Order: sequence, then structure tokens, then C-alpha cells
Amino acid sequence: KAGVTQTPRYLIKTRGQQVTLSCSPISGHRSVSWYQQTPGQGLQFLFEYFSETQRNKGNFPGRFSGRQFSNSRSEMNVSTLELGDSALYLCASSLDMGVTEAFFGQGTRLTVV
Amino acid sequence: QQQVKQSPQSLIVQKGGIPIINCAYENTAFDYFPWYQQFPGKGPALLIAIRPDVSEKKEGRFTISFNKSAKQFSLHIMDSQPGDSATYFCAASGASGSARQLTFGSGTQLTVLP
Repeated sequence: KAGVTQTPRYLIKTRGQQVTLSCSPISGHRSVSWYQQTPGQGLQFLFEYFSETQRNKGNFPGRFSGRQFSNSRSEMNVSTLELGDSALYLCASSLDMGVTEAFFGQGTRLTVV
Repeated sequence: QQQVKQSPQSLIVQKGGIPIINCAYENTAFDYFPWYQQFPGKGPALLIAIRPDVSEKKEGRFTISFNKSAKQFSLHIMDSQPGDSATYFCAASGASGSARQLTFGSGTQLTVLP
């Protein structure tokens, strides 16, 4: 059974640009959550999607957004990139909303220059 | 109230030693406590998890001890090996609302010397 797949693995963007990251959850999993990992702030929750609806949102500015498609695949978008957005963005897949076991992908390393 | 505090920040043990990593939480809505292992360049991998109705859980060389009254839990790695060298994160989540997402500790960098 394939794991969580995130694309691309690495990305370099310039300040002010926008970026879209993609996540394909484990087959059969319907809940997708996104986390940002930085050396200074650690792992922080961005948002959770289930049945194409955002169910929960962390404390991030509106520049961070996401969506989920009918096949449970998810994308997150960051607009007007800032240097501080440089981070490892991780997607976690769970079988269902309220099911607590979460499995992470390898992440997308975003560097903003 | 959402914080999970993890210690120590780093830990060095000899092969065969038993590293212990501790975490404490405040939010009584948390009812699921997983540990994740992360190697450089990889995403966190679920290692073992516990719920508050048990005080200890073992899976292979990994053991979680849970103290509900003290709101603390810890990870013990028996017979540690150099391949266990990684960063370990504790986390907590609850059943509903803002507690449902995983709240992570700050991580412990473990080095097991050969």
C-alpha cells in the first residue's frame, strides 16, 4: 500500500510569488491535514480537510489556504511568499475525521529567497 | 493550554542504553498521545501511541509510560541502537474542536553511540 505522496519534494521561490503544494493521501484515507515544520517553531498545524471541506484551521495568516478534491487529494497554496515561509510542509493522512492515527508524507521543502 | 512540553532537547546514550524522553501537557481534552520518529530529510513516522485508559504500552523496544494525574507521558527505548539516532516528537490530540489536530512537542535529538 503506497504511503502519503507529496509533490514536489523541493521548491525554491522568490518573495512575493505564490506556490501550490500537492498531497495524495494513503488509498482509502479521507482526512488530510497540513503542518509546517521550522527549526524555530517546530511542527505547527495549518489546516485539516475532510470531504472537501476545511474542518479545522491553525493560527496562520490568510495567505495560507488549501483545498481537497473528491478523490481526497489535497493542495495547499501560499500567496505573497515571505522569507519566513521557508519551511518543510508536511501532509498527514488519516482514515477518517476523528480517527487519530496520522501518517505523514516526506514533505515539501520550500525555500523563499 | 494547547502546549506540549518536551524534554530533553538532546540526548546522547551508548548503544544498549535506555534513553528516556519526557512530555507534559495541560489540555485535559487531549486523549491520544503518539510518538513520532523523524530522520533527516524524511517526514515524521508514527512509532507508538497511547490513550489515557492505560498506564503503559509496549511495542518492540519502545515503551510509553503514561501518568494521567500528572499529565505526563514518556518514551523509553530499550536496548538502543545507533539506527535509533533520530529526532523524536511527542504529540497530543483530542476528540473534537481545536484539540483534534496534533499538538507537537519541540522534539528531542537522540544520538546513540556505537
